[in-house]
Amino acid sequence: ETGVTQTPRHLVMGMTNKKSLKCEQHLGHNAMYWYKQSAKKPLELMFVYSLEERVENNSVPSRFSPECPNSSHLFLHLHTLQPEDSALYLCASKWTGGNYGYTFGSGTRLTVV
Amino acid sequence: KNEVEQSPQNLTAQEGEFITINCSYSVGISALHWLQQHPGGGIVSLFMLSSGKKKHGRLIATINIQEKHSSLHITASHPRDSAVYICAVRPFGNEKLTFGTGTRLTIIP
Repeated sequence: ETGVTQTPRHLVMGMTNKKSLKCEQHLGHNAMYWYKQSAKKPLELMFVYSLEERVENNSVPSRFSPECPNSSHLFLHLHTLQPEDSALYLCASKWTGGNYGYTFGSGTRLTVV
Repeated sequence: KNEVEQSPQNLTAQEGEFITINCSYSVGISALHWLQQHPGGGIVSLFMLSSGKKKHGRLIATINIQEKHSSLHITASHPRDSAVYICAVRPFGNEKLTFGTGTRLTIIP
């Protein structure tokens, strides 16, 4: 366990479904991130939240909707996804007050059918 | 062309061998990260470097800022070291990480 917990670990959803991914950290970090990892591609940054405010939306389609209700929790709401959205979705957190590293979760493996 | 290039893409070695994975990048950076990703998907941060060399157990990471190059070494490799090793850089003035595509390491008993 890294201290960043993601649920569920695996998710299969149809293109008309609505589901949510959850990320939780109790490390005292003040920034949280969503990354997408597709096969044979580098990790792609999707969203950044710093002090519960979204500071970055990296041109992500609106079918992905993030929510950060507090500094410990981050959600990614999914609706009307496409098969090409199938990927590993990773959450990470860090403390931005100095030169600190990132802590990653184990990821949610999403399959859109 | 990706800003972060790793080599080799795939590496298979016998248990006990000395392993080197390389990372080259094209921008000025404030830090470089080495990450380990096991088959389950979770990522573990191994090192964060801004200069010189760091060692943790059998793992050694070095960086040459002038040459924009870093290496990750594993001594006395073991099958449990089998994973994807990812290099990521943080460009100056930017909190975002830019990732390499990873090196898939397989250690055969």
